[in-house]
Amino acid sequence: GAVVSQHPSWVICKSGTSVKIECRSLDFQATTMFWYRQFPKQSLMLMATSNEGSKATYEQGVEKDKFLINHASLTLSTLTVTSAHPEDSSFYICSASFGMSTDTQYFGPGTRLTVL
Amino acid sequence: AQSVAQPEDQVNVAEGNPLTVKCTYSVSGNPYLFWYVQYPNRGLQFLLKYITGDNLVKGSYGFEAEFNKSQTSFHLKKPSALVSDSALYFCAVRPAQFSSGSARQLTFGSGTQLTVLP
Repeated sequence: GAVVSQHPSWVICKSGTSVKIECRSLDFQATTMFWYRQFPKQSLMLMATSNEGSKATYEQGVEKDKFLINHASLTLSTLTVTSAHPEDSSFYICSASFGMSTDTQYFGPGTRLTVL
Repeated sequence: AQSVAQPEDQVNVAEGNPLTVKCTYSVSGNPYLFWYVQYPNRGLQFLLKYITGDNLVKGSYGFEAEFNKSQTSFHLKKPSALVSDSALYFCAVRPAQFSSGSARQLTFGSGTQLTVLP
């Protein structure tokens, strides 16, 4: 149980284009989803927290107009990288939680984004 | 603000030997503590967590961790390492009590690369 999927697993795009990444909780309803960014050999940096049906809360330094997050249902959240540039190349990981105070975050497999 | 320290970037251990991956934390109030493992180009897999109760927590794949409040530590251990345990391990913390939704977020350590040598 508690499986989270991400699609696509990897994507290569040209500079200036937009890329959408999907995060789905397959066997549970996720009231909260988190989006992280990870650089090679580094830890996860939280980008934003999203609750179903409400606007995402972005961490300081994360451009909300560049990284659009939508959490339209209890099983799906999307991250859109708008007007991507090479510096946006990274490993993006989502996680989902049930919403209880003691809940565990369950992580997706990640999406490798390469911007040429 | 909460923080997590994993003092060792790299831990090497021979197969069959016990392993320890260290983690210390700082948080206001009581902590919720987590260990995750990451294999190359994959997301994080949950290993175990401490919420309350017994200080020794048992998790997946034979791993366990001991919560030590006085030393603010939550070291990950396994009695007998396997080559397949080689991966990147992350410790994470968040406060047990919080007043805002955003405080539910986890703060991760920098990660420890575990290599088990055959």
